[in-house]
Amino acid sequence: ETGVTQTPRHLVMGMTNKKSLKCEQHLGHNAMYWYKQSAKKPLELMFVYSLEERVENNSVPSRFSPECPNSSHLFLHLHTLQPEDSALYLCASSPGTGGRQPQHFGDGTRLSIL
Amino acid sequence: QKEVEQNSGPLSVPEGAIASLNCTYSDRGSQSFFWYRQYSGKSPELIMFIYSNGDKEDGRFTAQLNKASQYVSLLIRDSQPSDSATYLCAATEEVHGMRFGAGTRLTVKP
Repeated sequence: ETGVTQTPRHLVMGMTNKKSLKCEQHLGHNAMYWYKQSAKKPLELMFVYSLEERVENNSVPSRFSPECPNSSHLFLHLHTLQPEDSALYLCASSPGTGGRQPQHFGDGTRLSIL
Repeated sequence: QKEVEQNSGPLSVPEGAIASLNCTYSDRGSQSFFWYRQYSGKSPELIMFIYSNGDKEDGRFTAQLNKASQYVSLLIRDSQPSDSATYLCAATEEVHGMRFGAGTRLTVKP
């Protein structure tokens, strides 16, 4: 296993379902991130965790709930999503959260809301 | 509103030519700048980062930074069809968080 691994790669769910996205990094990094990527829009930073503590929440609706049980794992719990939440959800990690820390991305989960 | 702006393209260049990708940013507090390449259906992949004014070269890639003009660019020399992808520019502040542009789609024609 190398880098940042996300599961599942694809997810289709109804608006009333509850599901979770999983991210695991094997790089020994201390910071992890969730991003949303919609077509023709910039990557939107959703959450930042540093040493398992949430340090940023960019006004994300409460139907998205992150969890970081340790520095290698990050989850995004989904509940009562809306059609506009359909997007590619990317997880990233970096050595720390300082400005000069390049982020390494997983391949993402393609989420479709019916 | 702090923003990173890129021309969405598509930018089309012939094989062997120089591709020039440009990016501007609005936050003067931005300290570090990154270029990522994203193939369709794949994750962003880090190509270059630059912190200081001037040029930084790595193989066929050159990143240029002008903090006074709030401008970052990426030059790809001897462009290859395999360089065809979307290129994302990102800027960070001292604290945390990376702000991305929407990306420029590059097509290199054989």
